[in-house]
Amino acid sequence: QKEVEQDPGPLSVPEGAIVSLNCTYSNSAFQYFMWYRQYSRKGPELLMYTYSSGNKEDGRFTAQVDKSSKYISLFIRDSQPSDSATYLCAMSRGYNNNDMRFGAGTRLTVKP
Amino acid sequence: EAGVTQFPSHSVIEKGQTVTLRCDPISGHDNLYWYRRVMGKEIKFLLHFVKESKQDESGMPNNRFLAERTGGTYSTLKVQPAELEDSGVYFCASSQGPASGAIAKNIQYFGAGTRLSVL
Repeated sequence: QKEVEQDPGPLSVPEGAIVSLNCTYSNSAFQYFMWYRQYSRKGPELLMYTYSSGNKEDGRFTAQVDKSSKYISLFIRDSQPSDSATYLCAMSRGYNNNDMRFGAGTRLTVKP
Repeated sequence: EAGVTQFPSHSVIEKGQTVTLRCDPISGHDNLYWYRRVMGKEIKFLLHFVKESKQDESGMPNNRFLAERTGGTYSTLKVQPAELEDSGVYFCASSQGPASGAIAKNIQYFGAGTRLSVL
């Protein structure tokens, strides 16, 4: 069983839709949870960073962590074509993030 | 401020040849990480430098891979001899950290990666 499971998609939505991206994990020691966005031929770029359970909102993006269910989500409101990218969840046990584990990434396309 | 830079962006070599990948981290970042993504799989950790010292190399696949970070600045990852299964995208990341309670210092910034194709 992989430590981090993420549906690779692809996911295609119309512009303006609400997008829900999810990951599950098996290691209860993970405490720091991240979402990276990766455009084609670019490196992953940190989008959201959360600690432990709860919600965090940044503009059109909301990250949710449910440690009891070992389940994290990223919601994108009013999705735009510029949101088209691969979204990677990542998590680590310690604040220094030296042991980051990634999901396989979900490829999202937002159609105009 | 320049980001993490990786060279080359793409390398095509034949099985048995040697390839050296280079990573220039963000200036002032002590931590440097190498990762690899094989097609269709998740990004996997290879090793971690703190300055010039290898902190953790538990993810290195085998002794055909050699990483160095002389002087604690740029790093190289050499694959010798390359095998077909070494194909993939090799990412380098750097962070300033560690610093408890200071999220920004522990964020890893990624380069665009080197796409390695072994034929």
